[in-house]
Amino acid sequence: GENVEQHPSTLSVQEGDSAVIKCTYSDSASNYFPWYKQELGKGPQLIIDIRSNVGEKKDQRIAVTLNKTAKHFSLHITETQPEDSAVYFCAASDNQAGTALIFGKGTTLSVSS
Amino acid sequence: GAGVSQSPSNKVTEKGKDVELRCDPISGHTALYWYRQRLGQGLEFLIYFQGNSAPDKSGLPSDRFSAERTGESVSTLTIQRTQQEDSAVYLCASFTGLGNTGELFFGEGSRLTVL
Repeated sequence: GENVEQHPSTLSVQEGDSAVIKCTYSDSASNYFPWYKQELGKGPQLIIDIRSNVGEKKDQRIAVTLNKTAKHFSLHITETQPEDSAVYFCAASDNQAGTALIFGKGTTLSVSS
Repeated sequence: GAGVSQSPSNKVTEKGKDVELRCDPISGHTALYWYRQRLGQGLEFLIYFQGNSAPDKSGLPSDRFSAERTGESVSTLTIQRTQQEDSAVYLCASFTGLGNTGELFFGEGSRLTVL
């Protein structure tokens, strides 16, 4: 089955800096890669996703890149703000209807002002 | 409802007791998932429902865990004879169930503590 590795487990940056979180996956059939943000005491919430026919996707300060050959994808947050502080999870699936998303272990991002 | 609702939000129980965790998905969402999140860990897939059937139970950690869904709506996750290692946040998520995998909408979770 699919296995998703995520690193780093913790990341501390200064406000305004960029943050990069990287994930690798094992199943070459996977072609849907979402990123979720989880704030303290809340459930995870989708912030951006990418499908295998796209190499990069951007939404304001957030971007995701995908390298299917190397089986890795990354989340990039630019101009970080204190409210970006949260736990970020990457996930992968083979994009079949209802297939369970397999999540990485999460990255705790701390943005200090 | 407006979002995925889970109850109880917190549950403290003694080792060996049974617990039931409830999930009310977003109205009309046919797919429902249960995940477990241990402290400082990622989301561990437990079980998935499409309608009232569970085509994928592969994540249930032992036969002490079971889940059901009725009326293509509410789902209940039951843990029998709880153990301390069952302590975790149990998250429920729903999805429209139409087309390919898309956004999962998560509830805020049920935090289970087994003493």
